[in-house]
Amino acid sequence: AQSVTQLDSHVSVSEGTPVLLRCNYSSSYSPSLFWYVQHPNKGLQLLLKYTSAATLVKGINGFEAEFKKSETSFHLTKPSAHMSDAAEYFCVVSDRAGGYNKLIFGAGTRLAVHP
Amino acid sequence: SAVISQKPSRDICQRGTSLTIQCQVDSQVTMMFWYRQQPGQSLTLIATANQGSEATYESGFVIDKFPISRPNLTFSTLTVSNMSPEDSSIYLCSVVVQGSSRDEQYFGPGTRLTVT
Repeated sequence: AQSVTQLDSHVSVSEGTPVLLRCNYSSSYSPSLFWYVQHPNKGLQLLLKYTSAATLVKGINGFEAEFKKSETSFHLTKPSAHMSDAAEYFCVVSDRAGGYNKLIFGAGTRLAVHP
Repeated sequence: SAVISQKPSRDICQRGTSLTIQCQVDSQVTMMFWYRQQPGQSLTLIATANQGSEATYESGFVIDKFPISRPNLTFSTLTVSNMSPEDSSIYLCSVVVQGSSRDEQYFGPGTRLTVT
């Protein structure tokens, strides 16, 4: 079965410093991986996705993630945090068992950005 | 992408009652799903809403508690039946848009349910 583990429940950074949100996955085949963001009282927004093309994936708002098969990781990064990045971030893997694509969500990482 | 709306956006209900949540999409979609997000938790898939047939439920969720309808390609409802305080959650629908990857899901804004 597919699964994802987000290694940090909370991350706190200062505005203008780099962001690193860590995610490890478990999959019996080449996975599709996603990062979603959820701002307070707002819906989920797709940040980026990896589907076996380039291992470095660029998303919206300056975020990117690198797929590392040897480390089974898909960490999310951003060079310089902005106050508006404060939100909950979910690492997600797609499970293709049963003939449809079921999304398996990680527990989430809450990102706080301080002035 | 797709524009997804949910009604109601929030509600406060008494235990023992039922609430029906609507999900409307502005374009035809191939698949629709319903998720639950309990307070402070991640998202859990409740079921896949199948057009014209019974929904496919995930382990731990049953039709009697969460009946789902999907009468056409752009609309679905989820009912939370005989509610208890443990049902207090955000309920979200998601869709896979025709022509896009089967992996890529777009989410509605959610319905915040509080059961007293």
